[in-house]
Amino acid sequence: ETGVTQTPRHLVMGMTNKKSLKCEQHLGHNAMYWYKQSAKKPLELMFVYNFKEQTENNSVPSRFSPECPNSSHLFLHLHTLQPEDSALYLCASSQDYPTMSQHFGDGTRLSIL
Amino acid sequence: KNEVEQSPQNLTAQEGEFITINCSYSVGISALHWLQQHPGGGIVSLFMLSSGKKKHGRLIATINIQEKHSSLHITASHPRDSAVYICAVRPGNQFYFGTGTSLTVIP
Repeated sequence: ETGVTQTPRHLVMGMTNKKSLKCEQHLGHNAMYWYKQSAKKPLELMFVYNFKEQTENNSVPSRFSPECPNSSHLFLHLHTLQPEDSALYLCASSQDYPTMSQHFGDGTRLSIL
Repeated sequence: KNEVEQSPQNLTAQEGEFITINCSYSVGISALHWLQQHPGGGIVSLFMLSSGKKKHGRLIATINIQEKHSSLHITASHPRDSAVYICAVRPGNQFYFGTGTSLTVIP
């Protein structure tokens, strides 16, 4: 139990669907992150929120839309995804930003049909 | 070219063997992290290093900041050590990760 919970664990969706990934942290941390992990590729940082404000958006396509309503919750809204978006999406949190001392969730395995 | 390179990519060992995973990076950093990812997907932090050596149980991590190189050693390896080990660095506000070393320890 890392204190960071992601739902759902698995998601299969068509390219025209709209879905959302959810992340919740119970650690009292101030920063939250979304990462994409594709096979044989390094972890890619997608978005960072620090005190609910977006601080990083690493050239992520607009079909991915993050939302951070409070410091404990982070969403990733998905629409019109492409097959190459199939990957493991990991959420993490940290007390401060920037730091690599992050706590990770177990990830959502996303498959695009 | 990735800012963080790990070797080997895949490693299979017999239970009890001594294991070494290497990480080289090309950017200036103040600290390096070793992470462990189990088949379920979750990632846990093993070490944060800024100099010298750290030990935690059967795991030992070393770093040479001048040579931009770090190693992770596992002594007396066990099947439960089977996982992907990832090296990560943070220069400034950027985060760079290696592609990971997939370790399988056979009983």
